[in-house]
Amino acid sequence: EPEVTQTPSHQVTQMGQEVILRCVPISNHLYFYWYRQILGQKVEFLVSFYNNEISEKSEIFDDQFSVERPDGSNFTLKIRSTKLEDSAMYFCASSATSGGADTQYFGPGTRLTVL
Amino acid sequence: QKEVEQNSGPLSVPEGAIASLNCTYSDRVSQSFFWYRQYSGKSPELIMSIYSNGDKEDGRFTAQLNKASQYVSLLIRDSQPSDSATYLCAVRTGFQKLVFGTGTRLLVSP
Repeated sequence: EPEVTQTPSHQVTQMGQEVILRCVPISNHLYFYWYRQILGQKVEFLVSFYNNEISEKSEIFDDQFSVERPDGSNFTLKIRSTKLEDSAMYFCASSATSGGADTQYFGPGTRLTVL
Repeated sequence: QKEVEQNSGPLSVPEGAIASLNCTYSDRVSQSFFWYRQYSGKSPELIMSIYSNGDKEDGRFTAQLNKASQYVSLLIRDSQPSDSATYLCAVRTGFQKLVFGTGTRLLVSP
């Protein structure tokens, strides 16, 4: 069964450093998403991406964040200058469509620890 | 602020019983509703989606949607210890964004 994959599974970084989290969405999906979950809190939407551009973003997704689809398979989230409060699980998701049968399938996540 | 509310639990049921999980949402124009299961330290795993008022059954799971009351529920029949997890209600609001509730922790005792 096709699945979303993410690398690395765990990333430890120093405050102020840049990190890139990588995702490979399900191959025939067209919509890609990043969510995060701070320990003990709810899953929060960050951004959605379609046709090589951001289609929706939350107030969390500020200028420190960017997304990119550098090739036909990868989808990345970059955090330019990490803060302690960026420590969280980051989930990539993808869906075949938007609206209607728009189920989003989640990857296993990357645990980001900012020291 | 568009919210999704769930009782955090834990909801404790014995093995073989029916577990009933509830969720309310505030955005009246929401169109798509999802139940995900999340084991500790893992990612959300889709259980069911529902788009129309009424019931939708899939194996031991039944999702119920009442848009007039802005209420969605999940029933798990013949609960098993392996069903012990946090159940996340998610609502698609606006274009694509999913808004999640805080989740209800379910404990199924043998």
